[in-house]
Amino acid sequence: SVLTQSPGTLSFSPGERATLSCRTSQSVGNNYLAWYQQKPGRAPRLLIFGASTRATGIPDRFSGSRSGADFTLTINRLEPEDFAVYYCQQYGTSPMYTFGQGTRLEIK
Amino acid sequence: QVQLQESGPGLVRPSGTLSLTCAVSGLSINNNNWWSWVRQSPEKGLEWIGEIYHTGGTHYNPSLKSRVTISLDNFRSQFSLKLTSVTAADTAIYYCAKNGAWCLESWGRGTQVTVSS
Repeated sequence: SVLTQSPGTLSFSPGERATLSCRTSQSVGNNYLAWYQQKPGRAPRLLIFGASTRATGIPDRFSGSRSGADFTLTINRLEPEDFAVYYCQQYGTSPMYTFGQGTRLEIK
Repeated sequence: QVQLQESGPGLVRPSGTLSLTCAVSGLSINNNNWWSWVRQSPEKGLEWIGEIYHTGGTHYNPSLKSRVTISLDNFRSQFSLKLTSVTAADTAIYYCAKNGAWCLESWGRGTQVTVSS
């Protein structure tokens, strides 16, 4: 299964809303899709699991949704600390976990 | 809150064996959890290597399965990664992680491993 994140880079200003896309090449059962945020020199941080459930401590301006094979991460009211790289991840059979190539969210 | 810390050599010779350990604190490693290794390189991005259960059961990425062994030491509260016959393509940042609900919910800080003579 291949995860395609588009576009590779997005540019927004603080306060705006950003929508990031992740498309799966195979059907993802039971919404087994997660989103991570990664900042330079840091490990990925879990934001969303089960397509739409926020992880512990994640602000409610982050939300996830699904429409068929398309998954979306929405970030409302962008804060300066939100500018980072975002990855989607699918849970499958073998391999158990696959990742998208990432979308870089940069300040306009 | 669980904490994970990777350790091991930062430089491995080509054809050698990469060995890393992940120390787990703040949570019993014997809890009903899977524990994973993930690596990240500019060429391949994020790549899941494999996982181990507290009873010792494992799953590996088919692309690495012939070279990977993940083991767990309940007494020392740590789990380990061995990757044999390494090449420059195995140069990456290696992370250990605690699995969650179809995701990787907690990550170590990562450790850079370079394969070079």
